[in-house]
Amino acid sequence: QSALTQPPSVSGSPGQSVTISCTGTSSDVGSYNRVSWYQQPPGTAPKLIIYEVSNRPSGVPDRFSGSKSGNTASLTISGLQAEDEADYYCSSYTLTTPYVFGTGTKVTVL
Amino acid sequence: QLQLQESGPGLVKPSETLSLTCTVSGESIISRTYYWAWIRQPPGKGLEWIGSVYYSGSPYYNPSLKSRVTVSVDTSKNQFALKLISVTAADTATYYCATLHSRSWYNDFWGQGTLVTVSS
Repeated sequence: QSALTQPPSVSGSPGQSVTISCTGTSSDVGSYNRVSWYQQPPGTAPKLIIYEVSNRPSGVPDRFSGSKSGNTASLTISGLQAEDEADYYCSSYTLTTPYVFGTGTKVTVL
Repeated sequence: QLQLQESGPGLVKPSETLSLTCTVSGESIISRTYYWAWIRQPPGKGLEWIGSVYYSGSPYYNPSLKSRVTVSVDTSKNQFALKLISVTAADTATYYCATLHSRSWYNDFWGQGTLVTVSS
């Protein structure tokens, strides 16, 4: 089972919106709503920000939203803030492995 | 509040066994809500799921590591453990223990992580 595919980096100015894609297959993202997203600032442990494709844990700002279409899940950060600069990872249940992370995306706030 | 804390040696020699323990507080290890997971991150690289175990039943392992990994639960100590045999420099990483929600497969609680270096 290969890692889910994410773009290496995305960037945006404060206040803008950025979207990170997470592409899998019909054996994982495409078949299950068990997609989650994690935020990892430098030197810290990852933090859950989205689970079950689009649900936010308590305390996560509503600037973070998730969605899915076919084999690709997406994380959108609206109203980008300096504190959002971090690495972001998706994960999914898979039919085969049965769990896999994405390759990771570095978000830079310009 | 559920908390996780990794412990174990920070330095392991090549070909030897890496052993880590995760102590769980704020939740019973025999919880029906969670699998207990190990995840690692080599320096400057991405996250890699190693394996997960329920308080009962067989563990799940990453196929790429399956031949070298054992994940187990100690209910008497409310801990779970990782053993990785025959380590090489490629196993140098920060190792995290985490919960894995048993219904929806997401990691909602994480330990702070522990860096394990494989070197002679």
